[in-house]
Amino acid sequence: EVQLVQSGAEVKKPGESLKISCKGSEKTFTSYWIGWVRQMSGKGLECMGIIHSGDSETRYSPSFQGQVTISLDKSITTAYLQWTSLKASDTAIYYCVRGRPISGSYSHYFDFWGQGTLVTVSS
Amino acid sequence: SYELTQPPSVSVSPGQTARITCSGDALPRKYAYWYQQKSGQAPVLVIYEDKKRPSEIPEKFSGSSSGTMATLTISGAQVEDEADYFCYSTDSSGNQGVFGGGTRLTVL
Repeated sequence: EVQLVQSGAEVKKPGESLKISCKGSEKTFTSYWIGWVRQMSGKGLECMGIIHSGDSETRYSPSFQGQVTISLDKSITTAYLQWTSLKASDTAIYYCVRGRPISGSYSHYFDFWGQGTLVTVSS
Repeated sequence: SYELTQPPSVSVSPGQTARITCSGDALPRKYAYWYQQKSGQAPVLVIYEDKKRPSEIPEKFSGSSSGTMATLTISGAQVEDEADYFCYSTDSSGNQGVFGGGTRLTVL
């Protein structure tokens, strides 16, 4: 069964660091891309970046390059999204997703989604 | 940056056919994908590569693409189909995936 299970909701203050996680089943993780998608309150969806579970190649969308770090631990089939200094504007739901390459493209589409992690940043 | 444009809302009566459009300059050359997001839930892929349907998605969902517009069609829409629907595709270079702004489908 394909499963992506994310860590629980977080409440943080501006300037704090945070690392949220996404644990996949073997079937979900092995040889697939795992990405992150942001959804701000009442808004649309934004691709943040993606990492390959095999060689850890990581690609970031321009808007998120340098703002977050995507990583993974293959031994426990878990991917991570990390911030070093949160801002109030980082308040959103973050979804981890399984990415499938789009033929003839550098990009991916997302066929399975985790349940989402709500991150609230407030002083 | 590349944009995909969707109508903010579509409304139909139960049993009618709902059509949700997505326009983008690169769509003649790039696939469209469609996601359904019900209130408080994660999105679900309902159409990929313009018109293919994942095995677990009902046949009432279909997709098409012509020129700069992709369309998601929901035949015999019911109250349980009420959701936000997002299209997704890539820019002309294929380097960047982009979501449309989303369409709220109301069935009443």
